[in-house]
Amino acid sequence: EDQVTQSPEALRLQEGESSSLNCSYTVSGLRGLFWYRQDPGKGPEFLFTLYSAGEEKEKERLKATLTKKESFLHITAPKPEDSATYLCAVQAGGGADGLTFGKGTHLIIQP
Amino acid sequence: GAGVSQTPSNKVTEKGKYVELRCDPISGHTALYWYRQSLGQGPEFLIYFQGTGAADDSGLPNDRFFAVRPEGSVSTLKIQRTERGDSAVYLCASSTRTNTGELFFGEGSRLTVL
Repeated sequence: EDQVTQSPEALRLQEGESSSLNCSYTVSGLRGLFWYRQDPGKGPEFLFTLYSAGEEKEKERLKATLTKKESFLHITAPKPEDSATYLCAVQAGGGADGLTFGKGTHLIIQP
Repeated sequence: GAGVSQTPSNKVTEKGKYVELRCDPISGHTALYWYRQSLGQGPEFLIYFQGTGAADDSGLPNDRFFAVRPEGSVSTLKIQRTERGDSAVYLCASSTRTNTGELFFGEGSRLTVL
């Protein structure tokens, strides 16, 4: 069974304090790993897709990296508007269509 | 342009009742997905449509849940004999690409079963 575990469950940072969120996964044949951002009362918003170990993607203050067992979402010099829940999801090979999501990391950036 | 639209945004019903949740995807998106998100959890896959047909319904929890997409655009998720455990936010997502994880989600329909 595919599994995604995210840590920490919650993280409080000061504005400008860089950190990383972890996503550990077990999946039968990874087709893709995805990061989403979710604001309260909203649907998830797509951020990144990673396909193979060693791959990196960047967008503004966010950078996602992938190894064979985990992915990291690095947040550099965060701002209060980066506060949200960050969700990690995997898509398995073998014809699977749905994503398996983790529970997310609730990130709060204090001014 | 308009995003994925879901109605109603909130639905309160009594145990045992029938409910319908509607999803209007982004125009031109052929792939449509339903997910369910309980409090403090990540979204859980329910069903995937490619065009009019359900390509993968492996996530539907039991036969009380059914979804249709008769004309390949709007989709309706139908829940019969609702139970308190069905209470959750039901999310719809669409994409131009088939079998992808890069999805555009709506804001969800919050279902509360009393």
